[in-house]
Amino acid sequence: QSTLTQPASVSGSPGQSITISCTGTSSDVGGYNYVSWYQQHPGKAPKLMIYEVSNRPSGVSNRFSGSKSGNTASLTISGLQAEDEADYYCSSYTTSSTYVFGTGTKVTVL
Amino acid sequence: EVQLVESGGGLVQPGGSLRLSCAASGFTFISYWMHWVRQAPGKGLVWVSRINSDGTGTSYADSVKGRFTISRDNAENTLYLQMSSLRDEDTAVYYCTRDSYYYDAFDIWGQGTMVTVSS
Repeated sequence: QSTLTQPASVSGSPGQSITISCTGTSSDVGGYNYVSWYQQHPGKAPKLMIYEVSNRPSGVSNRFSGSKSGNTASLTISGLQAEDEADYYCSSYTTSSTYVFGTGTKVTVL
Repeated sequence: EVQLVESGGGLVQPGGSLRLSCAASGFTFISYWMHWVRQAPGKGLVWVSRINSDGTGTSYADSVKGRFTISRDNAENTLYLQMSSLRDEDTAVYYCTRDSYYYDAFDIWGQGTMVTVSS
């Protein structure tokens, strides 16, 4: 089981939009609409931000949105705020009936 | 309040064993599939294992298959991870997490428990 590929870091100024990519294969990201995204602040547990590619759980800001094309999923944060500075991980269900996470992306608000 | 609280972490020698527990509260535990996810110091999240709601179905990451066993006690609202033949690379914070009933994602996470494998 390999990991999904994410950029190591992405940065943006307050108010800007950024996009984080998550690239897998047809056995995971490309094969199912079961991609989710998690935010993790230092020393804290992960928090679900997006489920099933593009859906937001109750309580998550609508500044967060998700999409998918082929084997690549994306998380977009619009109107970037200081509190968005964190690590972000994608995850996908796989054909092996297991799950795989992405390598993680550190978001920095300049 | 919906809550997951892990316990049982600590220092163990290579080749040793440890059992982690995750106490669930605030929701109907028996209705949910549950998972363990780990995170080595300074590294990313790694899915470890899953168990279905009645405990009859499990799956594991290749890296722990044959060494770790996931189980649950629905009467006690508790999830377990029995770890044996521990290796240095098993050193990590171990999180228990709930599989959402309505969609495919991990919607509730515990605070994690640290496992250190070292001589």
